[in-house]
Amino acid sequence: DVKVTQSSRYLVKRTGEKVFLECVQDMDHENMFWYRQDPGLGLRLIYFSYDVKMKEKGDIPEGYSVSREKKERFSLILESASTNQTSMYLCASRVGLAGGTDTQYFGPGTRLTVL
Amino acid sequence: AQSVTQLDSQVPVFEEAPVELRCNYSSSVSVYLFWYVQYPNQGLQLLLKYLSGSTLVESINGFEAEFNKSQTSFHLRKPSVHISDTAEYFCAVSEPGAGSYQLTFGKGTKLSVIP
Repeated sequence: DVKVTQSSRYLVKRTGEKVFLECVQDMDHENMFWYRQDPGLGLRLIYFSYDVKMKEKGDIPEGYSVSREKKERFSLILESASTNQTSMYLCASRVGLAGGTDTQYFGPGTRLTVL
Repeated sequence: AQSVTQLDSQVPVFEEAPVELRCNYSSSVSVYLFWYVQYPNQGLQLLLKYLSGSTLVESINGFEAEFNKSQTSFHLRKPSVHISDTAEYFCAVSEPGAGSYQLTFGKGTKLSVIP
C-alpha cells in the first residue's frame, strides 16, 4: 500500500514563527502536493512539485513556500505564521502519469493552529 | 478554467435509506472525474473515478457514480447506506493532457447516517 506520512497531526505555533510541515511518501511518486482544507471551502492547492527541485504555485501560494530536495520528501514552509493560516494541511502524492489519470494518495493531515 | 459544484454541503439520511450526492462540473474540454471520501480524522482516499468508457463506475463498498456529459454531472449514489458511510465526500475533476497535474475539488458534502 502507498503510504504518505506527515510529521505532525497537531501543531500549535505563535504568530510570526517559522513553521515547517513535512511530508514523506514511500512509493517513488513523481508528483507531490500541498493543500489546505477549511470548512465550507473544500481543498485548495497551495503548491505542487512534479519532480525533485521542481515546484509550481497552486491557487493560494501567498505566505507559503516549499522545498523538495529528495523525491520522497516535500516540505511546506510558513515563513512567518499568521492567524489566518490556521487550518488543516493535507499532503498528497501520485505516480505522475501524463494525462492525470492516476490517483492522488493523501496523508492524514496536520491541524495547525496559529495563536 | 474548470470548477466543481457540490450542491449540498450536508446530507442527513437514515440508515438503510438510499442517498445521492450531487456534483456538477464546468469545463470546455473532456475531463476525468473522481470521488474522494474523508472519514473522521483521516486524509482523503479515492472512492471511484471515471476516465473513459462505461459512464457508470462502481466502488467496492457499494457506491456508484454516473458520468452525464450533457448535464456535466457526476452524481454519487448508494441504494442503502450504513453508519460507517458517515464521512465527507469530495468530487474532483482534472483535464487530460501532459501538463494536467492538478485536481480541482468541490467544497465537499458531509454525509451523516442516522441510526
